[in-house]
This record gives sequence, structure tokens and C-alpha cells, in this order.
Amino acid sequence: DTAVSQTPKYLVTQMGNDKSIKCEQNLGHDTMYWYKQDSKKFLKIMFSYNNKELIINETVPNRFSPKSPDKAHLNLHINSLELGDSAVYFCASSQTGTGDEKLFFGSGTQLSVL
Amino acid sequence: QKEVEQDPGPLSVPEGAIVSLNCTYSNSAFQYFMWYRQYSRKGPELLMYTYSSGNKEDGRFTAQVDKSSKYISLFIRDSQPSDSATYLCAMSTNAGKSTFGDGTTLTVKP
Repeated sequence: DTAVSQTPKYLVTQMGNDKSIKCEQNLGHDTMYWYKQDSKKFLKIMFSYNNKELIINETVPNRFSPKSPDKAHLNLHINSLELGDSAVYFCASSQTGTGDEKLFFGSGTQLSVL
Repeated sequence: QKEVEQDPGPLSVPEGAIVSLNCTYSNSAFQYFMWYRQYSRKGPELLMYTYSSGNKEDGRFTAQVDKSSKYISLFIRDSQPSDSATYLCAMSTNAGKSTFGDGTTLTVKP
């Protein structure tokens, strides 16, 4: 069983389109995240949700809108895609209240905007 | 200046070599120190986790944290081709937001 699964694995689309990425975790964690990894492997947090509540909202364009229907799911919708949005997007989860931040990552969604 | 600076690499070593990967940081509030390993086209996976200063050993891997110098290291003994990956250091405060280094790509040649 995959602990953190995200779909799709690859997403190729035209500039200006709207797309969504879905994530699900079966670890029973209460916090989920979206990270963006650029071509130089730099991993930067975008959002985090704890029990469906938005906790971290980094400086991300309004075109990016996360949504968490329950604590096991976190989706990312992107409007009006731009060339600079091309990157790998990782979903992750962790269990808060343990005093640490061990992250469990999905396998990533490679987004290519043409 | 970035909060976390990681030796950029890439690093190429022969099989059996000892590898040293290093990060420095500026935020003295960091309490938790992690190393993640990322294989090509995969998500990062937690490799080592340390709280505060000290050493932690797990098989061929040793993580060291020196909070006085704001410096962390990961040592890999008897490196294997299967260790070829990108290694990311990460740190967090009690507030729970991990800050990552840029990653070091390691290649171990048979």
C-alpha cells in the first residue's frame, strides 16, 4: 500500500489552462503539505493543512488554491497556468503533536506547461 | 542569504569510499535536523532524524549536529552504487515548518 499517493504522475498542458493534482495519505497523519521542487532540486513549501485547516500559506500566487476535504486528502488546483509553473509538485504528510517534523512524501507530479 | 546552505556538489566517489555531506544554517531556533534521500523521479524519503546536537548512527549512515557551529553532516561509510541519489538536509523549529537545503547529488561508481 502506498502511504502518500498523488495523481497524476505527469501533467503536460498548455499555458492558460486550469489543472488539478490530487493527494491522499493512508498513514493516519493529521497534517498535509504541498511542496514545489524546481529544476535545481530546491524544495519549497507552498501550503500545509492540519485537520482540514490551512496552517501555512507561503508567498504563492493566488492562481494556486489548495483544498482539503478531509485530513486524508489534499488537492491543489492551479488556474491560468504559466510557463514558470513547470516543476515537480510533491504532496507530503506528517503527524503533528509528536514534536518533530518527519515528512512522508508522495512520488511527485511532473507538471510541464508548454 | 538562505537560512540553510548545503554543499552543492555534485559529488562522485568510487564504491567503498566514505562520503561527507554538509549543511550550515543561520536560524538558531532550528531544533530538528533531517536528512532525506531522493532517487531520480521519486519523492524524498526520510533517511536520518536528529533532535538537537549530537550524533546518530544507523548502519552505514551517521548524522552529526553541531548547534554551536550551526553545522550538520551526514557520513556514509562503505558507499554503494545504490547510495547514488540526491541528499537533502532539512531543519525545523517547534513551529513545524521544514526548511530544505538545495540538495547534493551523489554518484557512487562501481
